[in-house]
Amino acid sequence: AQSVTQPDIHITVSEGASLELRCNYSYGATPYLFWYVQSPGQGLQLLLKYFSGDTLVQGIKGFEAEFKRSQSSFNLRKPSVHWSDAAEYFCAVAPAHKLIFGTGTRLQVFP
Amino acid sequence: DGGITQSPKYLFRKEGQNVTLSCEQNLNHDAMYWYRQDPGQGLRLIYYSQIVNDFQKGDIAEGYSVSREKKESFPLTVTSAQKNPTAFYLCASSPPEGQENTEAFFGQGTRLTVV
Repeated sequence: AQSVTQPDIHITVSEGASLELRCNYSYGATPYLFWYVQSPGQGLQLLLKYFSGDTLVQGIKGFEAEFKRSQSSFNLRKPSVHWSDAAEYFCAVAPAHKLIFGTGTRLQVFP
Repeated sequence: DGGITQSPKYLFRKEGQNVTLSCEQNLNHDAMYWYRQDPGQGLRLIYYSQIVNDFQKGDIAEGYSVSREKKESFPLTVTSAQKNPTAFYLCASSPPEGQENTEAFFGQGTRLTVV
């Protein structure tokens, strides 16, 4: 069965520090992979997506993610976190035109 | 501006009453989705529709019903059979599968509270 695992429920970083959010997926074929961000009480905004080609994808707000087929991972990174990045982050895989989400990682940023 | 509109943003209902959540999109997308979000559980798929007059159950369809009479609209009814309906509900839409720009666009959500 297709699934997405985000092992970190809550991460706290200092402003200016680097960030890596982990995502592992289970899917038989080459997946479509996504990272979304959600502010409290709001909908989801797409940060970046991977369909094929270059395994390092750039997104909005300075985020990037790397697809590693051998590790079934699609980790999200940012070199320097800003206080406005505090939010919940969701990784998703899209088999057969359905988005399957991980349980999310809540990011807290301290000044 | 193109987008997805969910209404209302907040909804209160008494236990045992059916309630319908609205979702409208003007993106000309074929596919539409309903997700339920609970703390610590991420987003779970309730129903999805890939074309007008057709829809499929997701992972947690029990106690919910949908219709897709128009391309633009995909209303969700939370029935009295749903045992724990209090949650945040998100509607999404996406272009046809296979297009390079395939991604889901989300509405701002409806928070339903049943008392």
